[in-house]
Amino acid sequence: EAQVTQNPRYLITVTGKKLTVTCSQNMNHEYMSWYRQDPGLGLRQIYYSMNVEVTDKGDVPEGYKVSRKEKRNFPLILESPSPNQTSLYFCASSDRGPNTEAFFGQGTRLTVV
Amino acid sequence: EDQVTQSPEALRLQEGESSSLNCSYTVSGLRGLFWYRQDPGKGPEFLFTLYSAGEEKEKERLKATLTKKESFLHITAPKPEDSATYLCAVPHGGYNKLIFGAGTRLAVHP
Repeated sequence: EAQVTQNPRYLITVTGKKLTVTCSQNMNHEYMSWYRQDPGLGLRQIYYSMNVEVTDKGDVPEGYKVSRKEKRNFPLILESPSPNQTSLYFCASSDRGPNTEAFFGQGTRLTVV
Repeated sequence: EDQVTQSPEALRLQEGESSSLNCSYTVSGLRGLFWYRQDPGKGPEFLFTLYSAGEEKEKERLKATLTKKESFLHITAPKPEDSATYLCAVPHGGYNKLIFGAGTRLAVHP
């Protein structure tokens, strides 16, 4: 089954404690993105990747890092999480570009206290 | 500035009561408009892509249409299982990203 898998689904952490949200896709897609979804603000792109070792900033990259060492994986790293990063996060992949129709993961609900 | 606006924010329908959701956009050089369905606690699920004014796509009780300034998602004789948030998105004119609307929360009651 074609899918984008994120882990964990839910996470509560404390300010400043580094964390990683994993994302893996099994569709051999070149393009992957991370979004955050906040009430009233919709989905906003954090980072995207055009291919292995090729990543770039989206709309709201501050406080986040990503890496793309393998085609299927695109982890999101929060080096020092803060409460304003409490949000619902989605990983997405696409075979035609980060600005085309995408397949989304199930989401990771992160709470930073 | 590229922008996507969806209306209404929320819509409550009785089962069988047809209606339409609106997605208006301002973007330079439209290169597609995408509709997604999002259930609570889940990721958006892709529904349709529309590329040019006049184009229509259908899936079960849903039909999406596109004009030069907006898109409509028509829901015919909805059922409770159609309850979800419906999102539309367009490619940004100059960057590698999608611009999403805030969505319309649809509730269909028996």
